[in-house]
Amino acid sequence: RKEVEQDPGPFNVPEGATVAFNCTYSNSASQSFFWYRQDCRKEPKLLMSVYSSGNEDGRFTAQLNRASQYISLLIRDSKLSDSATYLCVVNMGGSSNTGKLIFGQGTTLQVKP
Amino acid sequence: DGGITQSPKYLFRKEGQNVTLSCEQNLNHDAMYWYRQDPGQGLRLIYYSQIVNDFQKGDIAEGYSVSREKKESFPLTVTSAQKNPTAFYLCASTGTALRTEAFFGQGTRLTVV
Repeated sequence: RKEVEQDPGPFNVPEGATVAFNCTYSNSASQSFFWYRQDCRKEPKLLMSVYSSGNEDGRFTAQLNRASQYISLLIRDSKLSDSATYLCVVNMGGSSNTGKLIFGQGTTLQVKP
Repeated sequence: DGGITQSPKYLFRKEGQNVTLSCEQNLNHDAMYWYRQDPGQGLRLIYYSQIVNDFQKGDIAEGYSVSREKKESFPLTVTSAQKNPTAFYLCASTGTALRTEAFFGQGTRLTVV
């Protein structure tokens, strides 16, 4: 089983739609979770951190379910500019003060007019 | 401005040659990471270092080597033993607490000619 798994998609949605991505992780000791956005041929950029029960930032909502070991990202009112690859990132934790960062394979979103 | 710098942006290598990719950060981050990304794929961990003079293998370390002689620097050498080195290489760093996001360099695109 992969340490972090995402549905690669692609998700093709019309403008204005609501779309949700899920990500599962294998290590129950994982301490922190992030969603990154990556545009074609660019480096990933932080979209949201997910620390406890979840958080919201405008049209974006991230949720964490520790019992089932998954996090989700909800995008409301999709815009054309939301088209990108969304990467789930899990810090696996460790004995030292920083952990191993593992990325999911990414979920591709294409928003169409 | 604080940040993480990778160089060069584009690199061409002849078969059988070793090449070294540079990664420097002035964020005072303890942990640094190297990832490889192939077209349409997610990021795969090559090596990571949580502290100076220490580093661990990631999932695809074969054919690569690293050093961490200074906190600011984490160079990656792609050796001739790496059979398929053409890829996009990303360097990242994180702070001392678990709950800090990763900052990325702009990446190095390596092509074998």
